[in-house]
Amino acid sequence: VQLVESGGGLVKPGGSLRLSCAASGFIFSSYNMNWVRQAPGKGLEWVSSISSSSTYIYYADSMKGRCTISRDNAKNSLYLQLNNLRVEDTAVYYCARGSSSAEWFDPWGQGTLVTVSS
Amino acid sequence: SNVLTQPPSVSVAPGRTAIITCGGNIIGSKYVHWYQQKPGQAPVLVVYDDSDRPSGIPERFSGSHSGNTATLTISRVEAGHEADYYCQVWDSYNNHYVFGTGTKVTVL
Repeated sequence: VQLVESGGGLVKPGGSLRLSCAASGFIFSSYNMNWVRQAPGKGLEWVSSISSSSTYIYYADSMKGRCTISRDNAKNSLYLQLNNLRVEDTAVYYCARGSSSAEWFDPWGQGTLVTVSS
Repeated sequence: SNVLTQPPSVSVAPGRTAIITCGGNIIGSKYVHWYQQKPGQAPVLVVYDDSDRPSGIPERFSGSHSGNTATLTISRVEAGHEADYYCQVWDSYNNHYVFGTGTKVTVL
């Protein structure tokens, strides 16, 4: 099982970025998927989750209205579109597979760094 | 919003037992899950559903849950256990996942 994030980088406040997560080693279309972020030196913060067939989508209050989660089961890929980025959105963004009960996350990708700075 | 409170740090001598607590009103009716995060690495699940261990996680990691407090216990601590540890619950009422504030375990 492997999750590989990409798409991070340096962006100015107010800018946009699209993160991707390529999944392999499991039946991607059978699992909920999630994004979790971690600001430098800070703790883990859940960002968003999407069910296996995209029927259910949830967002953290801090990101609601500014990000969109999506997935392409044919491409075994998860996405996170980030808009109107703020300095405080600077973080490593991890994708993580959800458990069959949708309760916990395992495994996690290595993360991609998003830096929002002018 | 729901908050899961953990002690910022726990220090333990090699061979002893580290005990990390996670408290919050939401815990009472929920399963609690625990992650280990070593510097520069992604988190790794070490306990799920209060007390179950994923395959590959040694028995020295154990979890328990009583009332509004969950506990992660690391027995016979080694230098390799130095890491940040986070608890987590699924808030089904608000459809949110909540992480604890995190605990840094230092091996003396």
